[in-house]
Amino acid sequence: DTAVSQTPKYLVTQMGNDKSIKCEQNLGHDTMYWYKQDSKKFLKIMFSYNNKELIINETVPNRFSPKSPDKAHLNLHINSLELGDSAVYFCASSRGGGQYNEQFFGPGTRLTVL
Amino acid sequence: GDSVTQMEGPVTLSEEAFLTINCTYTATGYPSLFWYVQYPGEGLQLLLKATKADDKGSNKGFEATYRKETTSFHLEKGSVQVSDSAVYFCALSEGNTGKLIFGQGTTLQVKP
Repeated sequence: DTAVSQTPKYLVTQMGNDKSIKCEQNLGHDTMYWYKQDSKKFLKIMFSYNNKELIINETVPNRFSPKSPDKAHLNLHINSLELGDSAVYFCASSRGGGQYNEQFFGPGTRLTVL
Repeated sequence: GDSVTQMEGPVTLSEEAFLTINCTYTATGYPSLFWYVQYPGEGLQLLLKATKADDKGSNKGFEATYRKETTSFHLEKGSVQVSDSAVYFCALSEGNTGKLIFGQGTTLQVKP
């Protein structure tokens, strides 16, 4: 069983479109995260949720909106896609949000905006 | 703010060579330190971690020691294999949000 899964794995779309990426974890964790990996492989946190409550909201454009319907799911919706949004997006989860806890990562969603 | 700096890659080694990937950090408090590995086309996996000064994390022949005096967490392996070819990320986490701050990643290529 996949611990942290993301769909879709690849997403190719046109500028201006709206798209969503879904993430699910079956580890029973209560904290979930979204990270963005750019073309140089640099990773930066975007958001985190703990028990459906937003904990971290980095300086991310308003076009990005996370939604956590329950603690096993954290989806990312992106409005009005731009070329610069092309990246690999990783979902992760952990037991609790503290600094000692291992984060488990999904396989990533490669978003390409044309 | 907090930050992590890793040595520039790519690092190319022959099988059975000794590996060191340098990592230094800047933090205001007492962070936990991590090494994550990303194999081609996959997500990140935790390789090892250390949560306080002088702790040594180890896994799969890799090890790293949390050195507060030099603010470093260098990754070492005595004998690398072709299967170790991947991108290695040093990261820190501080406080109760769990936010990971990553270094820029170091690509390791091991040749037979």
